[in-house]
Amino acid sequence: GQQLNQSPQSMFIQEGEDVSMNCTSSSIFNTWLWYKQDPGEGPVLLIALYKAGELTSNGRLTAQFGITRKDSFLNISASIPSDVGIYFCAGQLQGGSQGNLIFGKGTKLSVKP
Amino acid sequence: GAGVSQTPSNKVTEKGKYVELRCDPISGHTALYWYRQSLGQGPEFLIYFQGTGAADDSGLPNDRFFAVRPEGSVSTLKIQRTERGDSAVYLCASSSAGVTDTQYFGPGTRLTVL
Repeated sequence: GQQLNQSPQSMFIQEGEDVSMNCTSSSIFNTWLWYKQDPGEGPVLLIALYKAGELTSNGRLTAQFGITRKDSFLNISASIPSDVGIYFCAGQLQGGSQGNLIFGKGTKLSVKP
Repeated sequence: GAGVSQTPSNKVTEKGKYVELRCDPISGHTALYWYRQSLGQGPEFLIYFQGTGAADDSGLPNDRFFAVRPEGSVSTLKIQRTERGDSAVYLCASSSAGVTDTQYFGPGTRLTVL
């Protein structure tokens, strides 16, 4: 099935550093979402974006809906050990089924204490 | 319960067998979704229900896969004649009303087909 291009695939950073990851697509999306998944758990929603150009924060997390509607980024500031996990972007494709979320392959974040 | 629950948490079966995976959504949530997540991949959409009816089943890979939600609450994903390639984590999610509402995911059922 169709997936978003998410990068980087993995990151290994020092505690306290800022992190940035992004998703791109050749298709237009109506909604962009960012999820975090811990081992053995389902994804948990971090941030939802509904408008092109929208910039939204949730604590140390900031995400933006690209103005072309084909990309989004997620920034994590001052990373801490509990930020470890896999981050997924997801989106609702323009013209697609409203219940059908398309996910990226994930960015695995590892933090050195 | 407070969240989406899925049973069993793990299921090991032999090639060719039939399996059923169960999802209990958050109480009152009208929309329910099934996804499949292979190792190292993001979740992949299978089907979603609004109430009792399947609003979109375009993600079901073939006719061995079938899902029901007879009373608009609990859902069962059924896989016939399982194949080794069906091995994955099957995730269920629910949302309160419209599909723009947040999808809350369960912990998943890890299916292993030997």
